[in-house]
Amino acid sequence: EAEVAQSPRYKITEKSQAVAFWCDPISGHATLYWYRQILGQGPELLVQFQDESVVDDSQLPKDRFSAERLKGVDSTLKIQPAELGDSAMYLCASSLARTGAYEQYFGPGTRLTVT
Amino acid sequence: AQSVTQLGSHVSVSEGALVLLRCNYSSSVPPYLFWYVQYPNQGLQLLLKYTTGATLVKGINGFEAEFKKSETSFHLTKPSAHMSDAAEYFCAVSEKDSNYQLIWGAGTKLIIKP
Repeated sequence: EAEVAQSPRYKITEKSQAVAFWCDPISGHATLYWYRQILGQGPELLVQFQDESVVDDSQLPKDRFSAERLKGVDSTLKIQPAELGDSAMYLCASSLARTGAYEQYFGPGTRLTVT
Repeated sequence: AQSVTQLGSHVSVSEGALVLLRCNYSSSVPPYLFWYVQYPNQGLQLLLKYTTGATLVKGINGFEAEFKKSETSFHLTKPSAHMSDAAEYFCAVSEKDSNYQLIWGAGTKLIIKP
């Protein structure tokens, strides 16, 4: 069964350093999402791509976070500089449809710890 | 704006007992409804979804949920809990007005007592 791939699974970094996460969605999925999840809370949407275009990045802290999906396939989320409050699980999800209530398929996530 | 309420941040049941996890949404227009499960340090896995049609939806691992429009609810049930059901469960809704983005509840941690 096809899965969403994410790497690394775990990342420890010092504050003020740069960090990057990678996501490879299920083949053929047009929509890709990045979420941040604080322990004990639901996911918070950071950015949504449809193909290579950003559909919604209203909750992305653009002073330090950036995201790209250059060829409309895999995607990278970057944080520079990292802050202590960025410690969280970063989840990538993909969905087949460009619109409509199709389910999202999640990767295993990247657990980020900022020291 | 749409909101999702999951009653009880923690629910504890004995192995073999009925599992009931509650979810209510705020919209007057029936949205699309989802339940996801998350095991520790893993991503989220879809348990079941309601879009249209039959209001009783069956999912994986023996779970089911019933959409009740009059109560704006989508509660998740399982007749007999198993130790492997211990996890966090999230209810989510989506609707056209919010570009079908998922709006999440805060989650309920299910604890299974032996």
